[in-house]
Amino acid sequence: QKEVEQNSGPLSVPEGAIASLNCTYSDRVSQSFFWYRQYSGKSPELIMSIYSNGDKEDGRFTAQLNKASQYVSLLIRDSQPSDSATYLCAVRNFGNEKLTFGTGTRLTIIP
Amino acid sequence: DAGITQSPRHKVTETGTPVTLRCHQTENHRYMYWYRQDPGHGLRLIHYSYGVKDTDKGEVSDGYSVSRSKTEDFLLTLESATSSQTSVYFCAISEGITEAFFGQGTRLTVV
Repeated sequence: QKEVEQNSGPLSVPEGAIASLNCTYSDRVSQSFFWYRQYSGKSPELIMSIYSNGDKEDGRFTAQLNKASQYVSLLIRDSQPSDSATYLCAVRNFGNEKLTFGTGTRLTIIP
Repeated sequence: DAGITQSPRHKVTETGTPVTLRCHQTENHRYMYWYRQDPGHGLRLIHYSYGVKDTDKGEVSDGYSVSRSKTEDFLLTLESATSSQTSVYFCAISEGITEAFFGQGTRLTVV
């Protein structure tokens, strides 16, 4: 079992709709969770970080964490064509300096 | 943008030659990471460092070595380059359990 799993997609969403991206992780002691966006040919850039159960909102983005289910998600409201990118989920474990990434989900927003 | 510089940005090298990639930071962050990114595999951790002269292996460390003699520099060496090491290499830095910031990447081609 991979430490961090994501559906590779591609995920296609109409412009203006909500895009939902999901990530599961295997290590129960994971403590820090991150969503990165990566445009083709560019480096990953941080969108959201979340450290405790519940929802965290930042503009059109909402991160949701459920540690009991070992599940973290990213919602993008009012999706725009500029949101088309690959989204990477990353997890850091307690007492472990490693930062582990999923394989990423490719999102396409259809105008 | 976080002060991270990778060099070179592009390199073509021959099979069997040693190659060194450099990551330089101006943020005085404790943790530094080297990842490789290949289609279908996401970001895979090669090696990481949690302080000067303190390094550890990631999930794909075979064929690679690292050194960190100063806080600001983290070097990745391919001891004898192979075609399977053709990839995009990213350096990242972080402080504590917080998010990591990425360099611009190095595209390495082994012919």
